[in-house]
Amino acid sequence: AAGVIQSPRHLIKEKRETATLKCYPIPRHDTVYWYQQGPGQDPQFLISFYEKMQSDKGSIPDRFSAQQFSDYHSELNMSSLELGDSALYFCASSLRFRETQYFGPGTRLLVL
Amino acid sequence: AQTVTQSQPEMSVQEAETVTLSCTYDTSENNYYLFWYKQPPSRQMILVIRQEAYKQQNATENRFSVNFQKAAKSFSLKISDSQLGDTAMYFCAFMKHPSNTGNQFYFGTGTSLTVIP
Repeated sequence: AAGVIQSPRHLIKEKRETATLKCYPIPRHDTVYWYQQGPGQDPQFLISFYEKMQSDKGSIPDRFSAQQFSDYHSELNMSSLELGDSALYFCASSLRFRETQYFGPGTRLLVL
Repeated sequence: AQTVTQSQPEMSVQEAETVTLSCTYDTSENNYYLFWYKQPPSRQMILVIRQEAYKQQNATENRFSVNFQKAAKSFSLKISDSQLGDTAMYFCAFMKHPSNTGNQFYFGTGTSLTVIP
């Protein structure tokens, strides 16, 4: 069965650079969630989208923005990167009003 | 706001034995879902088991079962016949009944489980 795809899987950036993370949900899933997991921490919710509209916003810094496109894939744009942004970024997808979220493999971002 | 607490940062169990991981939560919601996710060294998040709050029967998935105590807001995971492949970080997660907003997961801080040969 098709799973959630995230690209790139690994990313190394310098401080103050920008990064774009991409997420391709499971086919027919219309809802996408982004989570950030710092080293040794639990995943923290950043933002979610349903039908290309933002539905919820969590602890997402103002330096970050995200959107969902017509094909339901989503991109997380991160600017003015800081050392503290180094983390594993998960994307999860689900059907609207369904409780189970399916996680992608994550993108490991390292900011030097 | 919802909070999820896992009070056991680390646990170990002998291979083939049984271990129970604890999770408590706090919510004012009446309808919600609870999950256990496993995160092995690959750091992939793998769904282990889920429980609907309106169901009194405890969920079971092969060697994994839960003890859901709604009144006590407790949701423990029992792993029977532990296997080396069970070594991972285990996260308890809460989600309110899906609606227009607020459908994100709230995770506990995790329990690192090591299965000893």
